[in-house]
Amino acid sequence: LAKTTQPISMDSYEGQEVNITCSHNNIATNDYITWYQQFPSQGPRFIIQGYKTKVTNEVASLFIPADRKSSTLSLPRVSLSDTAVYYCLVGDGPWGGGGNKLTFGTGTQLKVEL
Amino acid sequence: DAGITQSPRHKVTETGTPVTLRCHQTENHRYMYWYRQDPGHGLRLIHYSYGVKDTDKGEVSDGYSVSRSKTEDFLLTLESATSSQTSVYFCAISEGTSGSYEQYFGPGTRLTVT
Repeated sequence: LAKTTQPISMDSYEGQEVNITCSHNNIATNDYITWYQQFPSQGPRFIIQGYKTKVTNEVASLFIPADRKSSTLSLPRVSLSDTAVYYCLVGDGPWGGGGNKLTFGTGTQLKVEL
Repeated sequence: DAGITQSPRHKVTETGTPVTLRCHQTENHRYMYWYRQDPGHGLRLIHYSYGVKDTDKGEVSDGYSVSRSKTEDFLLTLESATSSQTSVYFCAISEGTSGSYEQYFGPGTRLTVT
């Protein structure tokens, strides 16, 4: 499984854009990049998944350069409620039958202040 | 939110006693997972299931067993609890779409072994 490295913590203020970068130098050809969010005392919640270039949904954007050795999760105009731990994961490639396993690291603690 | 419940939500038990945690889903998803979360380690996969009576080990399976006799229920058993198994346990489910890493997590069970 590809190992990921991301900052332990980040601070921001309400209304700002936050970019969390994750490095995954040994990502395999079939691997996807996935981000999860976790609030205290809750299970993680899926945010976004991508393979290359840019993916955007109603919550975030994911930027993946051509070499795919890193990725950046972008959260537009954060609020206090975005304070959470964010995990970058690289999958072990799609199985024939799905049910892909996840390997979580320790994540990035984002703190948003007024 | 996905229909996942875990029981009990909190449990205190003594070393050497057996403990069973239950995960129940109403989504009819094929795949189910048990994770543990400890400070400094993120989430680690214990066991997972890819169908009724079909299970396999994750990265930290020693001391744990699982069973899945029905699609909706996935049981995690600690045959003889130890203090090192004090943790927060999360159950997750996924549809198993090939290439998708979207898992839905339950609320967690906080287990303390004294």
